[in-house]
Amino acid sequence: GNSVTQMEGPVTLSEEAFLTINCTYTATGYPSLFWYVQYPGEGLQLLLKATKADDKGSNKGFEATYRKETTSFHLEKGSVQVSDSAVYFCALSEPNTGGFKTIFGAGTRLFVKA
Amino acid sequence: NAGVTQTPKFRVLKTGQSMTLLCAQDMNHEYMYWYRQDPGMGLRLIHYSVGEGTTAKGEVPDGYNVSRLKKQNFLLGLESAAPSQTSVYFCASSSDGTTYSPLHFGNGTRLTVT
Repeated sequence: GNSVTQMEGPVTLSEEAFLTINCTYTATGYPSLFWYVQYPGEGLQLLLKATKADDKGSNKGFEATYRKETTSFHLEKGSVQVSDSAVYFCALSEPNTGGFKTIFGAGTRLFVKA
Repeated sequence: NAGVTQTPKFRVLKTGQSMTLLCAQDMNHEYMYWYRQDPGMGLRLIHYSVGEGTTAKGEVPDGYNVSRLKKQNFLLGLESAAPSQTSVYFCASSSDGTTYSPLHFGNGTRLTVT
């Protein structure tokens, strides 16, 4: 079946460092791809999305490009801040009976040190 | 705008007890979902609803029941709690059944079954 694989964490970086969190997927059709972020004690919230190949999603300095040829959707940020410490989930959304189905990766915890 | 609200935030049950988790959304969304989050496993779909009066099984439905009597509410029930149901439960909603509609999450309920 379809799946999402993310790099294992935790990832620990110093403030202002460059961030990459790898995400690859398997899908039979043309899914939409998402990154969600979960801050401590909260639910997941949408960070960015891309709905077709070569689309780039961006928000709050984070970017990810939908690469169909490599089935990847890696998350990047040029300069992380302490406030970016959170768990990041890559997800895909595919058509399903009566709507759609969202499949999540296992999550990658990011720690940013001052 | 409250978004998605879950009650309670925390609960401890003894094995065999029952309880109901309540989810309410004020965004007039058609689709609602219950997920459980376990360490290293991402989010797994328990049940979902594509509209008032409808419910459907997700990936891990055993031991849970749901009801959607009103469009804005989605209830998750545990009839006889087991330690394997210790988890963090998230409710989510989405506006429609298209693959590019993001999920909106509540802040979760942490359930411990002893």
